[in-house]
Amino acid sequence: DAGVTQSPTHLIKTRGQQVTLRCSPKSGHDTVSWYQQALGQGPQFIFQYYEEEERQRGNFPDRFSGHQFPNYSSELNVNALLLGDSALYLCASSGEGGLVQFFGPGTRLTVL
Amino acid sequence: AQSVTQPDIHITVSEGASLELRCNYSYGATPYLFWYVQSPGQGLQLLLKYFSGDTLVQGIKGFEAEFKRSQSSFNLRKPSVHWSDAAEYFCAVGPGSNYQLIWGAGTKLIIKP
Repeated sequence: DAGVTQSPTHLIKTRGQQVTLRCSPKSGHDTVSWYQQALGQGPQFIFQYYEEEERQRGNFPDRFSGHQFPNYSSELNVNALLLGDSALYLCASSGEGGLVQFFGPGTRLTVL
Repeated sequence: AQSVTQPDIHITVSEGASLELRCNYSYGATPYLFWYVQSPGQGLQLLLKYFSGDTLVQGIKGFEAEFKRSQSSFNLRKPSVHWSDAAEYFCAVGPGSNYQLIWGAGTKLIIKP
């Protein structure tokens, strides 16, 4: 049983560009959450998707947007990249009830 | 406001010694509590969780944690650490009604040979 997968593993972009990160949830899970983890910090909640809708959003600007597909996979899009967007982006999936989240390996985004 | 505090940024212990990592939380309702471990360059792996019932919970890799409501704490323990336990450990609370997990800043565990 494959766990949560994310792509790409690493990404380098320049300021002002746009980026799309992808996540496939663990088999049987229907809920996907995205987190940003800056170096030396704990993860910060970006948003959560359930039934193809954004169910809850953390304190992130509208430059951060997402999508969930009918197969429950998800994308995180970040527009107008800033240097401060450099971080590890983690995707987590959860099943019915959503109490336990399982994490993917993350995508390391570097903005130059 | 909901928050999680991990007072120790770094902890160094000798291989074979016991370990306790501290976690204090502030949460309005009965919390769901978690400990995750993150090895360098990797994602987060769930060590254990507390939802209700017995306040001493067992997890993977020989870890356990004790929920103390009166102290708002959920400390992680291991009787004898191995070099492979070197990693960063995160305590988290939730998800509450808004579904998100609230995280501590993490404690980096360093193992002395």
